[in-house]
Amino acid sequence: KNQVEQSPQSLIILEGKNCTLQCNYTVSPFSNLRWYKQDTGRGPVSLTIMTFSENTKSNGRYTATLDADTKQSSLHITASQLSDSASYICVVTPPYGGSQGNLIFGKGTKLSVKP
Amino acid sequence: GAVVSQHPSWVICKSGTSVKIECRSLDFQATTMFWYRQFPKQSLMLMATSNEGSKATYEQGVEKDKFLINHASLTLSTLTVTSAHPEDSSFYICSARDPLPKNHQETQYFGPGTRLLVL
Repeated sequence: KNQVEQSPQSLIILEGKNCTLQCNYTVSPFSNLRWYKQDTGRGPVSLTIMTFSENTKSNGRYTATLDADTKQSSLHITASQLSDSASYICVVTPPYGGSQGNLIFGKGTKLSVKP
Repeated sequence: GAVVSQHPSWVICKSGTSVKIECRSLDFQATTMFWYRQFPKQSLMLMATSNEGSKATYEQGVEKDKFLINHASLTLSTLTVTSAHPEDSSFYICSARDPLPKNHQETQYFGPGTRLLVL
């Protein structure tokens, strides 16, 4: 079982609508949880980063929430735009120790925003 | 934010040739860089961790003699795919760790990726 599970696997919404992507994790505690946006054929770009003690973090139209009790995070996108079409990846960094490269990646949610 | 570049952005080569991919941190010195591989519709898979001035640490299942990593300076790491075969076709992404982040939380930045197609 993956330590970071994302849902839905894919999502299609109309331009201007809101949407929420989910991330369930088993890594606990963790150093931080990040949401990345990855455009097709590009590297991931960080949207938000939250420590274990934070509940919410916003970046423009992107708002991430974290519930450490239920081990869930969500990424809410407001007033979607065509340029929001991408894969959104939830990434958890285990507690300090070991290689910093051992980020635990979710498989991502592929979002398509249609006009 | 910090910028990590990769070159080339895409490459097509014949089977049996070697391909070198460069990863540069443009506005910070990266003591550690990471190389990932991503197949279509899959997550990024860590291949190796590259520390400046020392040998790279490879993940289980990654052939160190096939994927040569050199981290000769604090701003440059290279990945050489030796004797490439069609199954090596993938999207290769590097990331660099900023040991002195301006944002105290964000320490790792990804490059834009290099798409390799081996014919």
